[in-house]
Amino acid sequence: SQTIHQWPATLVQPVGSPLSLECTVEGTSNPNLYWYRQAAGRGLQLLFYSVGIGQISSEVPQNLSASRPQDRQFILSSKKLLLSDSGFYLCAWSVLPSGSSYEQYFGPGTRLTVT
Amino acid sequence: RKEVEQDPGPFNVPEGATVAFNCTYSNSASQSFFWYRQDCRKEPKLLMSVYSSGNEDGRFTAQLNRASQYISLLIRDSKLSDSATYLCVVKGGGFKTIFGAGTRLFVKA
Repeated sequence: SQTIHQWPATLVQPVGSPLSLECTVEGTSNPNLYWYRQAAGRGLQLLFYSVGIGQISSEVPQNLSASRPQDRQFILSSKKLLLSDSGFYLCAWSVLPSGSSYEQYFGPGTRLTVT
Repeated sequence: RKEVEQDPGPFNVPEGATVAFNCTYSNSASQSFFWYRQDCRKEPKLLMSVYSSGNEDGRFTAQLNRASQYISLLIRDSKLSDSATYLCVVKGGGFKTIFGAGTRLFVKA
């Protein structure tokens, strides 16, 4: 079965510091990968998605970036964190659909607090 | 108008009650629809996909009304363990997936 890992689970970083969050998927090949952010009391916002190694699409302009160095690895980075970057960061995967649906499955998330 | 709108609730219901959530979406070209469940401070988990013909999974029934652009989730015989936030999710063309802000449900003994 497929599993998705994210680390760290929680993180407290000062404003202006760099960020690196990692996500890995097991048990599937060539997944589509996604990074979402959920601010407190808000819905999920899609930040990036990737359909393959080195292929990154950004949904919103921000000071974050993403990379996919391996098929099942997705990394979210920032050179300098802002207070507004605080939130719950979720990685998700999906595969080519059977039928017409694209179910996404989420990792446990990283709760980031920028101070 | 938000792309996906849900009543934020909270819905407070007793055990055994039937509760219904509605969700409206603005893009008539949307292709796929889902309900997710999110427990406090946890990741969302897929509850069910929503098909045009409607679908049922145990105590849960989901329906889609394309003409009126809304989807619904019905929970029968509510359990304490059903307490969570329910997210309506709409997928358009490509990889664009919009999550509603969620409806909070509290089931009380």
